[in-house]
Parts: sequence; C-alpha cells; structure tokens
Amino acid sequence: GDSVTQMEGPVTLSEEAFLTINCTYTATGYPSLFWYVQYPGEGLQLLLKATKADDKGSNKGFEATYRKETTSFHLEKGSVQVSDSAVYFCALGSNQAGTALIFGKGTTLSVSS
Amino acid sequence: EPEVTQTPSHQVTQMGQEVILRCVPISNHLYFYWYRQILGQKVEFLVSFYNNEISEKSEIFDDQFSVERPDGSNFTLKIRSTKLEDSAMYFCASSLEGEKLFFGSGTQLSVL
Repeated sequence: GDSVTQMEGPVTLSEEAFLTINCTYTATGYPSLFWYVQYPGEGLQLLLKATKADDKGSNKGFEATYRKETTSFHLEKGSVQVSDSAVYFCALGSNQAGTALIFGKGTTLSVSS
Repeated sequence: EPEVTQTPSHQVTQMGQEVILRCVPISNHLYFYWYRQILGQKVEFLVSFYNNEISEKSEIFDDQFSVERPDGSNFTLKIRSTKLEDSAMYFCASSLEGEKLFFGSGTQLSVL
C-alpha cells in the first residue's frame, strides 16, 4: 500500500543554518504531497503542499518540490529560526475531502540561538 | 483564528474500560476525522465522517471504535473496551474542503 518515509530525528541546528528534511513516498497513482508542522502544545498545521509532479510548494520560507522520478518531497529552508522548532510531518493523499492522509513518523527539529 | 479543540488533553483509563474522546471542530467545517499516533510510530488514519455518516475508515477502526456527532458541534470517538495497545495520542481534525485539514492538539490516552 501507499506509504511515506521520512528521515529520523531529532535534527538539531543553529539559527540561520540550512535545513533539509528528507521524505520519500510509495504510491499507486498520482497523490498530492503535504508537509504538516506541529508546534509545541498545538495541533498539526498544513505548512505546504504540491498536487502534481514538479510542483513546488512554499510557505514561511520553507519549500518542497514534488519529484516523481525520485518519489521524493524533501523539505528545505535556507535559514532556520528558533521559532521553527517543531515536529514536521510529510504526508500523501488526494485532494478529495473525507479521504485519508498517510503520514510519516514525523521529524523533530530543534533550533538553538 | 478558529481552531479545533480536544478534551481532555490527557486521559488515563484501565484496560477494558470505555473511553470517549471529545472534539469541537471548526464551526463551518463539513468533514471530520480521527487520527492517532502511537509513541514512536506514524500518524495513522482512523476514520472520516461527513453528513452524519462514516465516509472512510481504516482497518484499525474495528467494532470497538465508534464516532458520533451528537449535537451538531461535538465530534466524539468512543472506544468500548480499551486495550493496552490503544494507548496513543489521538488527533481530531476537520476540513471545509479537501486537503487542508485543521488538527486539534490531541488527547494522550494511556491504558493501564
């Protein structure tokens, strides 16, 4: 079945460092891909998405490109801030309401000043 | 900004007991979901709910689980007879349309 694999954490960086969190997927068909973020004490929030191959999702300085050839959707940010410390979840699904999202385990990012 | 609220934040119960996890979705949303995350594992889909009926459910969502929207604002997940392996963080979510789900901060269920 469909699945998502993301890099194990925790990831520990200094402020202004470059961030990459790897995510690869296995799917039949052409899923949409998502990154969700969970800040401490809060629920998961949609960070960005891409709905087809070569699409780039971006938000708050984060980017991810839907790579069909490598079945990847790696999350990147050029310069992280302390406020980016959170758990990041890669997910796949359809855009159809009421259907399941398939998540990875989540990667904890800790940024220090 | 409107948010999904879940209560309680922590629930401890004895094996075999019934538990009800409560959620208040965002008021104009139409689709409702439950997910769970066992410690160290992936966030797993349990069930989605639309127009007062289940629209999709996973293999995890067996006869021990049920969902209800009793009064037009709350959305509940009931586990009839809890098992040790039901210990997890349970997330409620809602959406107006397809892909943008809004999640609550979760209920940590511990079954002893």
